[in-house]
Amino acid sequence: AQSVTQLDSQVPVFEEAPVELRCNYSSSVSVYLFWYVQYPNQGLQLLLKYLSGSTLVKGINGFEAEFNKSQTSFHLRKPSVHISDTAEYFCAVSRYGGSQGNLIFGKGTKLSVKP
Amino acid sequence: NAGVTQTPKFRVLKTGQSMTLLCAQDMNHEYMYWYRQDPGMGLRLIHYSVGEGTTAKGEVPDGYNVSRLKKQNFLLGLESAAPSQTSVYFCASTENSSGNTIYFGEGSWLTVV
Repeated sequence: AQSVTQLDSQVPVFEEAPVELRCNYSSSVSVYLFWYVQYPNQGLQLLLKYLSGSTLVKGINGFEAEFNKSQTSFHLRKPSVHISDTAEYFCAVSRYGGSQGNLIFGKGTKLSVKP
Repeated sequence: NAGVTQTPKFRVLKTGQSMTLLCAQDMNHEYMYWYRQDPGMGLRLIHYSVGEGTTAKGEVPDGYNVSRLKKQNFLLGLESAAPSQTSVYFCASTENSSGNTIYFGEGSWLTVV
């Protein structure tokens, strides 16, 4: 079985500052890794995903994440955040070779960007 | 440009009532999913379908039933609603191959009183 831990439930940050949202996972099999963003009263939108290959993954809106197999982590980073990045961010995994929609989600991190 | 559409968007039910949530996708996707989202819990998979006529249980299937009679539609039913089923429900779909994006609907807010 897989599980996902998002280490921070809330992250406040000032505009134009860098941010890192932390995600650790546990799994006895290889996994795919994802970050999703949810704006208030909306569905989830894919930010980026790691399937294989380069461990540094670039996504939309200037976000990137690095897969670290030895530390079983997939932290999300952005060098300079905007007010519009205020949202809830979810890390998720799915079993390698399985359906990518069978996702195990973390509990979410609320990013609050202040002016 | 519809993508994944969920109806209804909002509903209030009394305990014991039944209802059906409809998910429709126009992308010819094979796989469809129903998730529920609760505060501080993230999303949890209720049921999913890997093709027309097939369904399977997810992480939290109890109290729900599903049907996939047509490829484009995936129905989630509550036979006897309970307050514990108050939640936001999300439908999603994806192609049957690795690497494809999963598309989510905009959610259905259900309150059981």
